[in-house]
Amino acid sequence: NAGVTQTPKFRILKIGQSMTLQCTQDMNHNYMYWYRQDPGMGLKLIYYSVGAGITDKGEVPNGYNVSRSTTEDFPLRLELAAPSQTSVYFCASSYALGDNTGELFFGEGSRLTVL
Amino acid sequence: GQQVMQIPQYQHVQEGEDFTTYCNSSTTLSNIQWYKQRPGGHPVFLIQLVKSGEVKKQKRLTFQFGEAKKNSSLHITATQTTDVGTYFCAGPFHRYNFNKFYFGSGTKLNVKP
Repeated sequence: NAGVTQTPKFRILKIGQSMTLQCTQDMNHNYMYWYRQDPGMGLKLIYYSVGAGITDKGEVPNGYNVSRSTTEDFPLRLELAAPSQTSVYFCASSYALGDNTGELFFGEGSRLTVL
Repeated sequence: GQQVMQIPQYQHVQEGEDFTTYCNSSTTLSNIQWYKQRPGGHPVFLIQLVKSGEVKKQKRLTFQFGEAKKNSSLHITATQTTDVGTYFCAGPFHRYNFNKFYFGSGTKLNVKP
């Protein structure tokens, strides 16, 4: 199993450009998450999904969009990139039932710089 | 929204000293998890606590879940340089939505050899 795979690992964008961060998992997990981590800071939840076709906002959703058309894939779309979106983005997945979230498995991260 | 505090923010210790980080939530938690992130790496799962008052040990690491299920701690005995990293508590801290999985702000541990 590859686990959680994120692409690209690094990207530089100009202000106003758009891009999609790809995330795929091969563990048949129902939950998937996108977090951002600014330098020296903790992880902030952007969006999450409890299964195919179901997504919901986290703490910092503005400027981002997601979709979950399959169990495996959970892309994160950045529209009109701004310098404030410079960050490291982590995708994670877990298998959970009810209130008890399972262990989160993380991808290696995508480092995005907006200039 | 998220109402979880993690203290301290930083901790510098001499190798061999003990280390403790605390996580406090304003809401009762169904469970809490702890993660470690090495510099430049991604968070890696350490443990999950579910029961009130639960204590779990992993070699030199001891994890506790408070009786009221609102706080938790991670204690490392006799730190080693391999313990360097940032330790996060994480869980469904949202008062009304158990699916929202938030992370604490983290405690960055530096160990001097």
